[in-house]
Amino acid sequence: DGGITQSPKYLFRKEGQNVTLSCEQNLNHDAMYWYRQDPGQGLRLIYYSQIVNDFQKGDIAEGYSVSREKKESFPLTVTSAQKNPTAFYLCASRVGYAGELFFGEGSRLTVL
Amino acid sequence: AQSVTQLDSHVSVSEGTPVLLRCNYSSSYSPSLFWYVQHPNKGLQLLLKYTSAATLVKGINGFEAEFKKSETSFHLTKPSAHMSDAAEYFCVVSGASNYQLIWGAGTKLIIKP
Repeated sequence: DGGITQSPKYLFRKEGQNVTLSCEQNLNHDAMYWYRQDPGQGLRLIYYSQIVNDFQKGDIAEGYSVSREKKESFPLTVTSAQKNPTAFYLCASRVGYAGELFFGEGSRLTVL
Repeated sequence: AQSVTQLDSHVSVSEGTPVLLRCNYSSSYSPSLFWYVQHPNKGLQLLLKYTSAATLVKGINGFEAEFKKSETSFHLTKPSAHMSDAAEYFCVVSGASNYQLIWGAGTKLIIKP
């Protein structure tokens, strides 16, 4: 079945550590996105990528980094520079600029 | 600039009664509009989308939405609520940059037995 796989589902991090969240899609979509969701809020865009080897900052990119070396993969690194990283992270992909987003099941990051 | 406003943060209805979740948008051009549903600790699933075809859009699970340009609204409705409809619903509009989407803050739908 085609879809988006995020891992891990739950992740705990000590302050000062970098962590990487995985996102893999087999939908052959060009565009991929990372969102952050906090309780009671909508989704906020961290980074997005339209094609391989290219990505753009979203509204809250500070403290995060991404790479897009392969079409199917768009990992997100939460760095120690992100002051409040505890959140639910969602990865999505999209077939084109007018199409809908397809989402993974999300990764919940907790900083201890 | 594009924007989207979901007019209610919470909506509570009894099982079997109609559902109305309200969404107003602002766009300087003809937008694409979407409704997504999110169950607790899950990813988001597309309910329906409007992309300048028919103004009444039918989606999954008996939901539908009507695009009203004069009112800049895209309200989500369902004739009869089911317990499984309890979730958070997001209204989304395409941004000025077509690869970006503007998200509403969400409406939590509560179903009373």
